[in-house]
Amino acid sequence: AQKVTQTQTSISVMEKTTVTMDCVYETQDSSYFLFWYKQTASGEIVFLIRQDSYKKENATVGHYSLNFQKPKSSIGLIITATQIEDSAVYFCAMREGNYAQGLTFGLGTRVSVFP
Amino acid sequence: EAAVTQSPRNKVAVTGGKVTLSCNQTNNHNNMYWYRQDTGHGLRLIHYSYGAGSTEKGDIPDGYKASRPSQENFSLILELATPSQTSVYFCASGHNTGQLYFGEGSKLTVL
Repeated sequence: AQKVTQTQTSISVMEKTTVTMDCVYETQDSSYFLFWYKQTASGEIVFLIRQDSYKKENATVGHYSLNFQKPKSSIGLIITATQIEDSAVYFCAMREGNYAQGLTFGLGTRVSVFP
Repeated sequence: EAAVTQSPRNKVAVTGGKVTLSCNQTNNHNNMYWYRQDTGHGLRLIHYSYGAGSTEKGDIPDGYKASRPSQENFSLILELATPSQTSVYFCASGHNTGQLYFGEGSKLTVL
């Protein structure tokens, strides 16, 4: 069974609007970290934002913010004022247990931003 | 300047041949990783390393070996390449929060 599930395979939005994408995860750990990464058309994978499970406040970086709902094991990514350059595939990922053992990734959500 | 660099960026190999993918990082991270990315499967962990001299199996290690001769370098080795190993491979170095910094990717085609 997938530990990190992104149900939306693709989303299309108009420029300057807000896009929200979902991610649910499974873990037995009481402490874990959740991440969102962006993969551009060139294939580059870049880190966007992180949520630590013990923090109640939703993380925000620039025009990226998270909707962390711990009881639902859900970590949504919100992009406000979208730009054409936000067109990419967005991956949700989780780190549990030993930090050295890497991240478990979802399958990604492709976002297309149209002018 | 890129902190995680991979070589080669593109490789065509024949079935049964040996392939080595190399990765170098200047982040001074202890942990390094090899993932492969395939449509429908996302990013899957092949091998990882805690530091020089260590290698550990990830989720899909069969058919792959890894080598970590130094803090900076981490190689993925396919001793007998098969067409099913055609993929895009990403190396990453890891921060102690688990946050990863990825290389540019290496596209491998096994004919």
